[in-house]
Amino acid sequence: NAGVTQTPKFQVLKTGQSMTLQCAQDMNHEYMSWYRQDPGMGLRLIHYSVGAGITDQGEVPNGYNVSRSTTEDFPLRLLSAAPSQTSVYFCASGTQGPEQYFGPGTRLTVT
Amino acid sequence: AQKITQTQPGMFVQEKEAVTLDCTYDTSDPSYGLFWYKQPSSGEMIFLIYQGSYDQQNATEGRYSLNFQKARKSANLVISASQLGDSAMYFCAMREGSGNFNKFYFGSGTKLNVKP
Repeated sequence: NAGVTQTPKFQVLKTGQSMTLQCAQDMNHEYMSWYRQDPGMGLRLIHYSVGAGITDQGEVPNGYNVSRSTTEDFPLRLLSAAPSQTSVYFCASGTQGPEQYFGPGTRLTVT
Repeated sequence: AQKITQTQPGMFVQEKEAVTLDCTYDTSDPSYGLFWYKQPSSGEMIFLIYQGSYDQQNATEGRYSLNFQKARKSANLVISASQLGDSAMYFCAMREGSGNFNKFYFGSGTKLNVKP
């Protein structure tokens, strides 16, 4: 199993550009989430999904869209990038059990 | 109000000694889970230990134990016999309710430095 994969690993955007961060898992997990981690801080939940076709907002959803058309994939779209979205983005997947499996992260810089 | 509070931005511990990392939480839901994650300088998030709100015993996983004091709403992580490889950021997290299996709240973290 590859676990949770994220692409790209690094990305630089200009203000106003849009892009999609990719996340995929091969563990057949129902639950997937996106977090952002700002310097010196913990992770904050952006959006999450409890299954294909079902998504919901977390703590900091503004400026981001998600969709979940398959169990495996959960892309995160930045509609119009802003410098405040400079962060490290983590995707995670899990089941009803205690463990969440995190991807390696995407480091995004918006100039 | 903050759901998870970690009041120690940084800690030092001598190799082979034990260290306690503090975590307090805030919830009115009777069903919740408490977690600790380790984030080394490489950036990945590593799950360490879990405690359910209804668990009677404190959780233990090898050198990690969770000191769960429900009335005080604290869930401190104890690392026994510290090793140099334990140097990392440590995050406490909470999941509320019995249905929100992937809705986690994280604290701001504690940076642990293990000295040789």
